[in-house]
Amino acid sequence: QQPVQSPQAVILREGEDAVINCSSSKALYSVHWYRQKHGEAPVFLMILLKGGEQKGHDKISASFNEKKQQSSLYLTASQLSYSGTYFCGTESLADNNAGNMLTFGGGTRLMVKP
Amino acid sequence: DTGVSQDPRHKITKRGQNVTFRCDPISEHNRLYWYRQTLGQGPEFLTYFQNEAQLEKSRLLSDRFSAERPKGSFSTLEIQRTEQGDSAMYLCASSFHRGLPYGYTFGSGTRLTVV
Repeated sequence: QQPVQSPQAVILREGEDAVINCSSSKALYSVHWYRQKHGEAPVFLMILLKGGEQKGHDKISASFNEKKQQSSLYLTASQLSYSGTYFCGTESLADNNAGNMLTFGGGTRLMVKP
Repeated sequence: DTGVSQDPRHKITKRGQNVTFRCDPISEHNRLYWYRQTLGQGPEFLTYFQNEAQLEKSRLLSDRFSAERPKGSFSTLEIQRTEQGDSAMYLCASSFHRGLPYGYTFGSGTRLTVV
C-alpha cells in the first residue's frame, strides 16, 4: 500500500515556504525524498531513518515522526529551481528484511513562480 | 562516476512483440532496482538485485516480465508479448547498501510505447 502525499499540487511565489506531507499506514524503517523534473529522472534529496530524526539540506529539510508514520518535507525561501514533482519513498519495517525496497507516494507537484 | 545509464531512451513497439531494456548501474553500487512509472504517478517497484541475486519481485509483475543481472554488473529487463498497458517509463536505480540504507541514483529511464 503506497504512502499518501499531500497536497497533490502547490503553487508558490519565489521566496515563499511550503510543506509536503507523506503518511503511511505501515510501521516505517526509513523515508526517502526525491525531486523529479519533467522528463528527467528522480533525484535523491535525503533519507530519514527510524528514530524520529530531522535533517537539513540547504533550505530544504525534513522530519520523520515515527509514532505517526509521517514525514514532512520543508522548503523555505523557495527558488525557481525547486519546481518539480516531489516523491516520498517509504521502506516499511517488514520490508527492511527484504532490504531497502521503496514504495513511492503519488507525488506532489510544486510550481514556483517569479 | 558516470551515473546510471539506461538504453534505449525510447522504444516504440507493436503489441505482441518482445522488448529488452538495459541498465548499467554505478559500478560501486551493490543493489539494482527496476521501477515502472506511468504519467502522473510515483514509481512502482518491479524487482531488485543484490549483486547478481534477484532478491525480490513484485507480485504485480506478470510472468511476461523477466530480469537478469549476470555477474552482478549490468541488468536487462525483458517484456514478452507486450500489451498496451505496458506503456510506461521504466526506471532503473542503483544504491550501495551495507547495513544502513542509502539513497537511490536513478537512470533517465526507457520510455516504452506499445502501439
